[in-house]
Amino acid sequence: DGGITQSPKYLFRKEGQNVTLSCEQNLNHDAMYWYRQDPGQGLRLIYYSQIVNDFQKGDIAEGYSVSREKKESFPLTVTSAQKNPTAFYLCASSLHIRREEKLFFGSGTQLSVL
Amino acid sequence: SQELEQSPQSLIVQEGKNLTINCTSSKTLYGLYWYKQKYGEGLIFLMMLQKGGEEKSHEKITAKLDEKKQQSSLHITASQPSHAGIYLCGVGTSGGGADGLTFGKGTHLIIQP
Repeated sequence: DGGITQSPKYLFRKEGQNVTLSCEQNLNHDAMYWYRQDPGQGLRLIYYSQIVNDFQKGDIAEGYSVSREKKESFPLTVTSAQKNPTAFYLCASSLHIRREEKLFFGSGTQLSVL
Repeated sequence: SQELEQSPQSLIVQEGKNLTINCTSSKTLYGLYWYKQKYGEGLIFLMMLQKGGEEKSHEKITAKLDEKKQQSSLHITASQPSHAGIYLCGVGTSGGGADGLTFGKGTHLIIQP
């Protein structure tokens, strides 16, 4: 079955540590996205990529980095510069069709600070 | 960026009752998306509305987009425990490019037996 796989489901970060969240899709979608979800704040866009080897900052990119070396993969690194990393992280993908932006989501990764 | 306001923030409904969730924007909605999320899980797509006055239904859930394309409502008939979760509305950009959806803060729905 096609879909989006995020791993791990739960992740713990120590002070000063970088951690990487994995996102893989086999839907053959061009575009991929990372959102952060905090209680009471809805989803906020961190980074997105419309094509391989290209990505753009979203609304809250500071303290995060991404890469898009393959169409199927869009890993997110939470760096030590992100002072409040505890949140639920969601990866999504979509077909890059004008005026059709239906997103397909993974099951999320809960990141907590030790 | 376009902001979406959802109301109510939370809703407790007795099983079997009907309910409505609203999503309002100050700007024209170029594509309005409704998603449902179980706690600690990803978002599941429900429906997309594009045209003013458009209405779509899926099982016991009906979504409408008003004529002015600035407000959408989600109506659940005869609610069941399986309807519990967070409902989020999202809007695409006016340019139609694949640069993500902007979401409202969500409505938490609890179904009481």
